[in-house]
Amino acid sequence: SQKIEQNSEALNIQEGKTATLTCNYTNYSPAYLQWYRQDPGRGPVFLLLIRENEKEKRKERLKVTFDTTLKQSLFHITASQPADSATYLCALDMGSASKIIFGSGTRLSIRP
Amino acid sequence: DAGVIQSPRHEVTEMGQEVTLRCKPISGHDYLFWYRQTMMRGLELLIYFNNNVPIDDSGMPEDRFSAKMPNASFSTLKIQPSEPRDSAVYFCASLRSGRGDTQYFGPGTRLTVL
Repeated sequence: SQKIEQNSEALNIQEGKTATLTCNYTNYSPAYLQWYRQDPGRGPVFLLLIRENEKEKRKERLKVTFDTTLKQSLFHITASQPADSATYLCALDMGSASKIIFGSGTRLSIRP
Repeated sequence: DAGVIQSPRHEVTEMGQEVTLRCKPISGHDYLFWYRQTMMRGLELLIYFNNNVPIDDSGMPEDRFSAKMPNASFSTLKIQPSEPRDSAVYFCASLRSGRGDTQYFGPGTRLTVL
């Protein structure tokens, strides 16, 4: 069965630095890979989607890469701010609305 | 748009009691999902509906769990009888097909079974 691993449970970095989160998966490549942000006491909020034929996608300070050879996606936040502190989830979308599998998340803390 | 609405936000009950969680999806969305989130298992898909019809309930842990969607604007997840291991945050999410498969999550219901 498809498995997802997010590199670490927690990541602490200094404000202003670039945060890089990793999402690795096994078996076959998904049609899409999504990244969500989750704040304490709230539901996940969609951030970015990248398709299997795309290498990179950007949105403001966010950048996502997708390497189907390595079976890996990297999520970058440049010029990080304390307000970026949250848990970030990657999710594999196998091409139908039904088959979205979430990783366990990485808790990111940005210290001033 | 008000987003996905869930009620109650918090529920504390005793083992053996029936629990009903409620969800109102975003208007116009044709898919509805129920998830459960725990520290140990992360976010797990329990069941999803398309146009009010249950499509896949393979994630439902056991027969004590049931879900219904009587119309496009309302769904329930029922646990009967509840057990302490059911304690978790339950999320409802909805999606409009053809819009990039982005799911919109509700705020969740935190369930504690004593």
